[in-house]
Amino acid sequence: GAVVSQHPSRVICKSGTSVKIECRSLDFQATTMFWYRQFPKQSLMLMATSNEGSKATYEQGVEKDKFLINHASLTLSTLTVTSAHPEDSSFYICSATAGGWDEQFFGPGTRLTVL
Amino acid sequence: AQSVTQPDIHITVSEGASLELRCNYSYGATPYLFWYVQSPGQGLQLLLKYFSGDTLVQGIKGFEAEFKRSQSSFNLRKPSVHWSDAAEYFCAAWASGTYKYIFGTGTRLKVLA
Repeated sequence: GAVVSQHPSRVICKSGTSVKIECRSLDFQATTMFWYRQFPKQSLMLMATSNEGSKATYEQGVEKDKFLINHASLTLSTLTVTSAHPEDSSFYICSATAGGWDEQFFGPGTRLTVL
Repeated sequence: AQSVTQPDIHITVSEGASLELRCNYSYGATPYLFWYVQSPGQGLQLLLKYFSGDTLVQGIKGFEAEFKRSQSSFNLRKPSVHWSDAAEYFCAAWASGTYKYIFGTGTRLKVLA
């Protein structure tokens, strides 16, 4: 089956620093990747959609300059949380589609804690 | 507006009992429907999906779901729950043209020994 990995699985950083999270499709080419944010005991909220080689499309209310998304290749997308603050602490999950708009394959998530 | 509703935030069942988790959708046309399970601190695992055809869909881990157009529902069922089924369950829908999933708020399942 299609496998999506995320790195790191957990990260703790100081307020004001930037954190990069990687999302990789291991055995397929992901034309589109999605980034979600999940607060404790809540559902997944879509942050942005990224297509390889083009700018990400952000959902309303998501700060583009705060959450930088790069999808430079068909197997890698990165989310950079710039100048992180404690309110950015959350569980970030990526997903990817293999070209067809039928199923998204989800990564295991990254737990970000900003002190 | 398009939406997915999971009316039950928490459900508690005894091990061995049957289970039904509810999901309702609101779309102009029949969306693609999914059920995912999430264990604490983990990503999402697909249990089953419905695109078209047979309205009773079989999934992994003994789960099944039935699509009912008249009720705009896609309820998840399992005949006999195991303690390892304790987790968060999400219903999701995707409609052609939207290019994104819409998730329900999730149902947290607790299994009593």
